[in-house]
Amino acid sequence: DIQMTQSPSSLSASVGDRVTITCRASQSINSFLNWYQEKPGKAPNLLIYTASSLQSGVPSRFSGSGSGTDFTLTISSVQPDDSATYYCQQSHSNPYNFGQGTRLQIK
Amino acid sequence: QVQLVQSGAEVKKPGASVKVSCKASGYTFSGYYIHWVRQAPGQGLEWMAWINPDSGATKYAQRFQGRVTINRDTSISTAYLELSSLRSDDTALYYCARGLSSWYMDYWGQGTLVTVSS
Repeated sequence: DIQMTQSPSSLSASVGDRVTITCRASQSINSFLNWYQEKPGKAPNLLIYTASSLQSGVPSRFSGSGSGTDFTLTISSVQPDDSATYYCQQSHSNPYNFGQGTRLQIK
Repeated sequence: QVQLVQSGAEVKKPGASVKVSCKASGYTFSGYYIHWVRQAPGQGLEWMAWINPDSGATKYAQRFQGRVTINRDTSISTAYLELSSLRSDDTALYYCARGLSSWYMDYWGQGTLVTVSS
């Protein structure tokens, strides 16, 4: 199985900060990497697919990059509404594992 | 608009089975996969399986193989997840999600809470 490791596990940022979350795969997954945002009591929301494609309707302050084993999710200017848990997920091979999540708190 | 509406919460005893439904609307059901993902209380997301509603092909995570069955009824645009031999650690929120093949999940159901308790 491919293991997905996110860092950090949690972080705190101020409005307007640039935030980067990293995700590392235990083996190459090419660009089969997605990012989801989850808020309490709500279903996950797709932000980025295939490493760097922005899902329709997602604010442009979100961006993704990387290929192979190392990936990043960047929020260019954090907003209060971005308080959430973020998950990466590989879709290269079964089982399509998620990372353990990164909790973002807005100061 | 795309919607996935799941069946209601369930309470089951250990050893029992549970069947969760996921009714799709707002798009061509056979054109997208349906994935199942679960989340135990306070834990992260865990992918379980997908089904291609067009062909009926399925793929399961190995750890659920033999205990989980997914199928669909294309006449009513509904997919089903059945989990058997329930244990307390199967207590979780179960989500269905629309998938562009196995690549990513772009619309999610509201989740179905399954509680396993004696």
